[in-house]
Amino acid sequence: DAGVIQSPRHEVTEMGQEVTLRCKPISGHDYLFWYRQTMMRGLELLIYFNNNVPIDDSGMPEDRFSAKMPNASFSTLKIQPSEPRDSAVYFCASSSGDQPQHFGDGTRLSIL
Amino acid sequence: AQKITQTQPGMFVQEKEAVTLDCTYDTSDQSYGLFWYKQPSSGEMIFLIYQGSYDEQNATEGRYSLNFQKARKSANLVISASQLGDSAMYFCAMREPPYNTDKLIFGTGTRLQVFP
Repeated sequence: DAGVIQSPRHEVTEMGQEVTLRCKPISGHDYLFWYRQTMMRGLELLIYFNNNVPIDDSGMPEDRFSAKMPNASFSTLKIQPSEPRDSAVYFCASSSGDQPQHFGDGTRLSIL
Repeated sequence: AQKITQTQPGMFVQEKEAVTLDCTYDTSDQSYGLFWYKQPSSGEMIFLIYQGSYDEQNATEGRYSLNFQKARKSANLVISASQLGDSAMYFCAMREPPYNTDKLIFGTGTRLQVFP
């Protein structure tokens, strides 16, 4: 079975540019989560969806961040405009029912 | 208030020895779930083991076992016969009701280094 697929694996861009991170959850999973991991703050939940509907976006740091899930097999996390402090590893995870969350390999984002 | 506490920022163990990574949690709910994840230097998050609060037996998965002490609110991960490939960050996490949220709360992690 394919796991959670994230793209790109690495992204380097200049401050002010728009960044779009993509995620394909495991088929059949009805929860999707976006996390950010930094040395200073550890693993933070940004937003999560249930059946494509955003449930809790209280972890989204500011209005520059937005996330969408147009269908059950695709989600995006967008940062516009990007800033150097957004540099982090961004993980997508999916789950269903009592199953554990399965994570993608992450996107390592560097904003110059 | 911090709900998951991992007090060991780093641990060392010799190959083939057993090691225990500590995790304590805080919840007022009777029903909850506890998870351990491994993050090697390559960065991916790998699910290791799960313990439900009502499970009577300690969870085991191969060389991983969970020492669950409900009264003490601890869920320590035990790795038996350590291997060099076990060197990684290990995160403890908890899921609380309502379960329809499926949210996890993570600890700050413990870095384990296995030496020959």
